Amino acid sequence: EAGVAQSPRYKIIEKRQSVAFWCNPISGHATLYWYQQILGQGPKLLIQFQNNGVVDDSQLPKDRFSAERLKGVDSTLKIQPAKLEDSAVYLCASSSGTAAYEQYFGPGTRLTVT
Amino acid sequence: AQKVTQAQTEISVVEKEDVTLDCVYETRDTTYYLFWYKQPPSGELVFLIRRNSFDEQNEISGRYSWNFQKSTSSFNFTITASQVVDSAVYFCALSGNTGNQFYFGTGTSLTVIP
Repeated sequence: EAGVAQSPRYKIIEKRQSVAFWCNPISGHATLYWYQQILGQGPKLLIQFQNNGVVDDSQLPKDRFSAERLKGVDSTLKIQPAKLEDSAVYLCASSSGTAAYEQYFGPGTRLTVT
Repeated sequence: AQKVTQAQTEISVVEKEDVTLDCVYETRDTTYYLFWYKQPPSGELVFLIRRNSFDEQNEISGRYSWNFQKSTSSFNFTITASQVVDSAVYFCALSGNTGNQFYFGTGTSLTVIP
């Protein structure tokens, strides 16, 4: 069974530029999560989708971050414009149910904003 | 409020020693779920265990064991006879009864010295 796929693996951009990350969850998993992991910290949940609907986005900085999950499968997370403090690893995870179920994580996208 | 505290930032042990990673949680939910994840140097988070709040039975899986005590709001993780491959960052996490929020602790970095 294929795992969670993410691309790109690395991205370097200048502040005020835009960037987008893509995630393809495990086939059949209804729930998809985006996390931000700053170096030395635990992952912070940004947004949770159930199929193509948003379940929780309370920690998503909506003035610059947006995410969508069209057709309830793959998802895109966008940052526009990026700030220096957005430098982090962006992790995508999926699960067969709610956050009460185990999540399977992708390899992450390491973003550096200069 | 939901919170997970991992007071141990870094631990070093010599191979074959036993080591316990502490996790203390806070929640007002009566139903909740606790997790442990491993993040090896490669960066991909790996699910280790899930426990629901109604099951305080300790669990053993090979060299790994978990001690869940609701009375002290703790969910500690012990590795017996540690190996170099156990070197990683270990995260404890909590999900509340809505299944819509997921909180990671700050992680404990374990180094096993050969």
